[in-house]
Amino acid sequence: EAQLLESGGGLVQPGGSLRLSCAASGFTFSRYAMSWVRQAPGKGLECVSVIGDIGIRYADSVKGRFTISRDNSKNTVYLQMNSLRAEDTAVYFCATLWNYAFETWGQGTMVTVSS
Amino acid sequence: QSALTQPPSASGSPGQSVTISCTGTSSDVGGYNYVSWYQQHPGKAPKLMIYEVSQRPSGVPDRFSGSKSGNTASLTVSGLQAEDEADYYCSAYAGSNNPYVFGTGTKVTVL
Repeated sequence: EAQLLESGGGLVQPGGSLRLSCAASGFTFSRYAMSWVRQAPGKGLECVSVIGDIGIRYADSVKGRFTISRDNSKNTVYLQMNSLRAEDTAVYFCATLWNYAFETWGQGTMVTVSS
Repeated sequence: QSALTQPPSASGSPGQSVTISCTGTSSDVGGYNYVSWYQQHPGKAPKLMIYEVSQRPSGVPDRFSGSKSGNTASLTVSGLQAEDEADYYCSAYAGSNNPYVFGTGTKVTVL
């Protein structure tokens, strides 16, 4: 069974940095495009970054501040988040991309940006 | 990239059907047959219910069906059950530069 487990969330001050990790198991990680999707409290879903056959893409809201990467030897995808703002406060999910859909999701990790 | 437009809420009695719309543009919903739908219960991760407009992943009941006409996609839940009460989001592929956009979300209530 495919599983994803995010970690690295927490409380950070505005302007600070965090690195999220997403460990994959139960499937051939290197064959899948991966994504990070966030959900602000009480709000909808936003795809913030994708890494796969199309290369690397970012939402305009995080471009220049967030960096996605992956280590296929560790079955892990990362999201380095710099210059964090209050509006980045959200639950961050990682998800596999399959047939242009977000197939398998992790349980999410909460990021709170506050002084 | 603007979010796709969904109605904020929809409701139906057990056994009835409910249909949720998802309106985008010719650059996303109308441009590709890559619309997907997600169910999200409170405090949980989203779950893929429909991909490629009308395909159901293994394990998703056939009560869930999807369709598309022009720039609007739809999700229909037939034979509503109590466990169908959740938030539903659509998503569409929008090209390689800004690949995925989500809908605004619809809260489905089973009366």
